[in-house]
Amino acid sequence: GQSLEQPSEVTAVEGAIVQINCTYQTSGFYGLSWYQQHDGGAPTFLSYNALDGLEETGRFSSFLSRSDSYGYLLLQELQMKDSASYFCAVRANTDKLIFGTGTRLQVFP
Amino acid sequence: DTGVSQDPRHKITKRGQNVTFRCDPISEHNRLYWYRQTLGQGPEFLTYFQNEAQLEKSRLLSDRFSAERPKGSFSTLEIQRTEQGDSAMYLCASSDGLAGVGTGELFFGEGSRLTVL
Repeated sequence: GQSLEQPSEVTAVEGAIVQINCTYQTSGFYGLSWYQQHDGGAPTFLSYNALDGLEETGRFSSFLSRSDSYGYLLLQELQMKDSASYFCAVRANTDKLIFGTGTRLQVFP
Repeated sequence: DTGVSQDPRHKITKRGQNVTFRCDPISEHNRLYWYRQTLGQGPEFLTYFQNEAQLEKSRLLSDRFSAERPKGSFSTLEIQRTEQGDSAMYLCASSDGLAGVGTGELFFGEGSRLTVL
C-alpha cells in the first residue's frame, strides 16, 4: 500500500518557526510536494523536492531525505495568514499525486 | 482570470439522484485530474486524463462514477445513484503534462461541494 503520515495539528505563535513532518511509504518515488489549503479554498502549491536537501522559497523551506522516506516543510516568521492545512504529496510510480491526511496549523497572536 | 474553474460550486441532492460536475482547466494544460476530499482529509485521487484519454482510474472508484473529457478541454464527472457516502468536495486540477507533474505542481479549482441527503 501507499501511505503518507503527517501530524494532525500544530500550533505556534506569530513570528515563530514551525516544522511539519511527512513520512511516506510508496511504491516508487519521484518527488515530494507541499500544498497549502485555507478553509473553503483550493489547495495551492508551495514547493517540490525531487532530490535530497533543502529548497528555500521565501519564508517557506522544504527538505527531503529519500533514504529516510522523510521530508518536512519549514515555515519561518509565522503570520496569522499562515493558519491553514498543509499537505504533503508524493508523485509515486504514476503521473498522479498521492496526498497525506494534512496538518492543520493554527497561528496565535 | 484563466485559472481552473468548476461548476456548480455547491450541489445538494437526494439519495439515488444523478449529479454531474464540470471542470474547465487552464487552457494550455493537457493533464486534468479529479480528486475527492472529505472534511479533515487530504485530496483522494479519482482519475486523470491526458488530453481526451483517461489514463488512470482509482480502484476505489465504483462503477457509479464516470468521467469524460471529450475534446481534451473541459471534463465532466458524473455520479449515478448518489449515496450519502458520496458527500464530499470534488476537486479538479490541471497541469502542463509531464512538466507539471514533474515539478509536483497541480493547479486546483475551488471545488464542487456535494451534499447527498
